[in-house]
Amino acid sequence: LAKTTQPISMDSYEGQEVNITCSHNNIATNDYITWYQQFPSQGPRFIIQGYKTKVTNEVASLFIPADRKSSTLSLPRVSLSDTAVYYCLVGDGYNFNKFYFGSGTKLNVKP
Amino acid sequence: DSGVTQTPKHLITATGQRVTLRCSPRSGDLSVYWYQQSLDQGLQFLIQYYNGEERAKGNILERFSAQQFPDLHSELNLSSLELGDSALYFCASSVDYRRTGSLETQYFGPGTRLLVL
Repeated sequence: LAKTTQPISMDSYEGQEVNITCSHNNIATNDYITWYQQFPSQGPRFIIQGYKTKVTNEVASLFIPADRKSSTLSLPRVSLSDTAVYYCLVGDGYNFNKFYFGSGTKLNVKP
Repeated sequence: DSGVTQTPKHLITATGQRVTLRCSPRSGDLSVYWYQQSLDQGLQFLIQYYNGEERAKGNILERFSAQQFPDLHSELNLSSLELGDSALYFCASSVDYRRTGSLETQYFGPGTRLLVL
């Protein structure tokens, strides 16, 4: 089971870049790394997914080193509305019974 | 709006009772997932259905059961309810988990908040 480890919480200020790192030492060859965002009392929302190196979309960037044992979600110039819980998930689409959301990282963006 | 609908939004019931939570996936999505989120346990995967058939099981109690119907909507049945079952229950859907082997993007519904008294 490719469990993940993330910091429980992080603080930041508006306009700063935020990097949230996730450890997944037991990641398997077929596993992908996916990040979700969740606001209070709402369902999680997909942010970004990657397999190796770097992936960027309009919302965030995902950095994955060559050994894939960790990954870093980068949020550029955060705003107050980015205050949420961020989950790192590792797995593949064929073995969903191994899916593990974990407790996530509570990001608190201050003015 | 993710396109996934869940009913009811809130549910209050007593211990020992049975409830049914309903989920309608996004149009065209074949896979449905159920999750439980309680304060002290984070987001827990319960079960996945694909095109009417059970595909994967997570930490789902024997008192809980689910099914996916021919029109692809899904129901989660919770019986012999206990205080500890109080939680937010989310349904999510995705197109087809088999396509690429990667994790299909899951679209989550707004959840059903269950309170067992």
